[in-house]
Amino acid sequence: EVQLVESGGGLVKPGGSLRLSCAASGFTFSSYSMNWVRQAPGKGLEWVSSISSSSSYIYYADSVKGRFTISRDNAKNSLYLQMNSLRAEDTAVYYCAREGYSGSYYGYWGQGTLVTVSS
Amino acid sequence: DIVMTQSPDSLAVSLGERATINCKSSQSVLYSSNNKNYLAWYQQKPGQPPKLLIYWASTRESGVPDRFSGSGSGTDFTLTISSLQAEDVAVYYCQQYYSTRGVTFGPGTKVDIK
Repeated sequence: EVQLVESGGGLVKPGGSLRLSCAASGFTFSSYSMNWVRQAPGKGLEWVSSISSSSSYIYYADSVKGRFTISRDNAKNSLYLQMNSLRAEDTAVYYCAREGYSGSYYGYWGQGTLVTVSS
Repeated sequence: DIVMTQSPDSLAVSLGERATINCKSSQSVLYSSNNKNYLAWYQQKPGQPPKLLIYWASTRESGVPDRFSGSGSGTDFTLTISSLQAEDVAVYYCQQYYSTRGVTFGPGTKVDIK
């Protein structure tokens, strides 16, 4: 069974940093591109970042470019999101999502971890 | 960026009746080399992550009831729930994945029981 479990969320002050993790199991992690998608309270879904299976291709939404860094450790079946210079508008539930075998649709999602940026 | 729009913002349908949600992309998401539309639909219930319903515009994900169907091509797409059940109350999102440098989601359509 595919499982994605996020951790690392919490309350942080504006300008602060946080590192999210996503532990994957139940599939060959090193074969799939992975993504972070966020959802602000009461709002819709916003793609944040993606990383290819071997980390060769990395993309970011304009809203986080230069502040967030996505990475993965295939030996540990883990995905990460380093978030720096956090702003109030980064407050959201952050989901880890696995791409499909043949396209960037998301067949598997974690339960999400809440990041709150507030003073 | 490809902008996705959805209509209506919300709708209320009687149990057993048809629900139709529309999604429009600002540019075509049909890839000519493989004739596939890079369009997916998700269902999200309160407090839960989204659930994939449809991909390639019309391919139903494994385990998704056949009352859910997707159609359309190019820039205009539709998600149809043929006979609404109580458990279908949720927000539905379309998503384009044509742009490899970043997918985008529609704003969502809330479906309720009338």
